[in-house]
Amino acid sequence: DAEITQSPRHKITETGRQVTLACHQTWNHNNMFWYRQDLGHGLRLIHYSYGVQDTNKGEVSDGYSVSRSNTEDLPLTLESAASSQTSVYFCASTQGVGYEQYFGPGTRLTVT
Amino acid sequence: SQQGEEDPQALSIQEGENATMNCSYKTSINNLQWYRQNSGRGLVHLILIRSNEREKHSGRLRVTLDTSKKSSSLLITASRAADTASYFCATGRADTGNQFYFGTGTSLTVIP
Repeated sequence: DAEITQSPRHKITETGRQVTLACHQTWNHNNMFWYRQDLGHGLRLIHYSYGVQDTNKGEVSDGYSVSRSNTEDLPLTLESAASSQTSVYFCASTQGVGYEQYFGPGTRLTVT
Repeated sequence: SQQGEEDPQALSIQEGENATMNCSYKTSINNLQWYRQNSGRGLVHLILIRSNEREKHSGRLRVTLDTSKKSSSLLITASRAADTASYFCATGRADTGNQFYFGTGTSLTVIP
């Protein structure tokens, strides 16, 4: 069965370190998204991609970057982790406009 | 900025009762989707309603959409303890193509 996975599921890192969160989907979807979820804010879009070599900034992209070298993967990098980036991160993919999004299980990141 | 906003923030009902959650949004949309999130898990798609539809059913779920009031409601009939979760609306905005904007969610507790 097709799925979307994230790794690691839990990560503790120190302020200033570079961190990369992995997202892998086997739906063969062109569209992939990264969100962060914080209490009181719901899910906020960080970055998204509509296909290989395509990346776009979402509403809370500062301090984050993504790259898309193949259809299956969209890794999210925190260049220099900050305590404000402590959050739960979700990756999602979708077939296209007007279709449902499939979510990964999430990565809980703690920056100390 | 947050596009959707759910109301109420929290809802507690007895098993067998109906649960109604509302979502209000700010801009024109292509579609609106409802998702469920169990504690510590990713989001799961429940139902999608397009901007030219007014009502949609899926099992015990009924969704309505009023584009003139920029609002939607999710009704869960004959609730079960397993329905305990957070529920989010997500809007596909007409001006941003394939992006989705999530509300802050309604936390539903169904008491056995």
